[in-house]
Amino acid sequence: NAGVTQTPKFRVLKTGQSMTLLCAQDMNHEYMYWYRQDPGMGLRLIHYSVGEGTTAKGEVPDGYNVSRLKKQNFLLGLESAAPSQTSVYFCASSWGGTGNGELFFGEGSRLTVL
Amino acid sequence: SQKIEQNSEALNIQEGKTATLTCNYTNYSPAYLQWYRQDPGRGPVFLLLIRENEKEKRKERLKVTFDTTLKQSLFHITASQPADSATYLCALDIPQSNTGKLIFGQGTTLQVKP
Repeated sequence: NAGVTQTPKFRVLKTGQSMTLLCAQDMNHEYMYWYRQDPGMGLRLIHYSVGEGTTAKGEVPDGYNVSRLKKQNFLLGLESAAPSQTSVYFCASSWGGTGNGELFFGEGSRLTVL
Repeated sequence: SQKIEQNSEALNIQEGKTATLTCNYTNYSPAYLQWYRQDPGRGPVFLLLIRENEKEKRKERLKVTFDTTLKQSLFHITASQPADSATYLCALDIPQSNTGKLIFGQGTTLQVKP
């Protein structure tokens, strides 16, 4: 079992460019999440999904879009990257939606926007 | 909105001592509180979960307490070792949301010196 796999691990973009981060999980989890982590800010939820074909906004959704076409995949898109989106992005998944299930995290995708 | 504060960004202790990390929250009391460990350049890894009706939870050298009156959780590592050096995150669920979303604190970095 690979768990949660994120690609790419590193990426440098210029302002205005677009890109997609891919998250794949092999645990058959229903729930998936995208967080960003910035120094001193902790993890902040961008978007999440409670099942295939569903998505919802989290705490900081502006500038991002997501899709969950397949249960095992959760894509995070940046349509027009801005320097403020320089961050480490973490994908996570869980089996339960009541808060009593642990989150399984990927290793992170480090994005720099110049 | 819910606010979480973890004590001091960094905590330095001597090997063999007990490390105590604090997580304070405001507003509503969560149904569940979770603790994660994060090593540099890695994703967070789940350690323990404690429910609102549980006062204490133990796992090997780890102990978590949950005081809903004080709105506080304490995370203890007994007989600490240099290998325990990492950043520790507390996370709260959002009651009745049924989405599994967690709100994370900013983390406390523990350094255990030999």
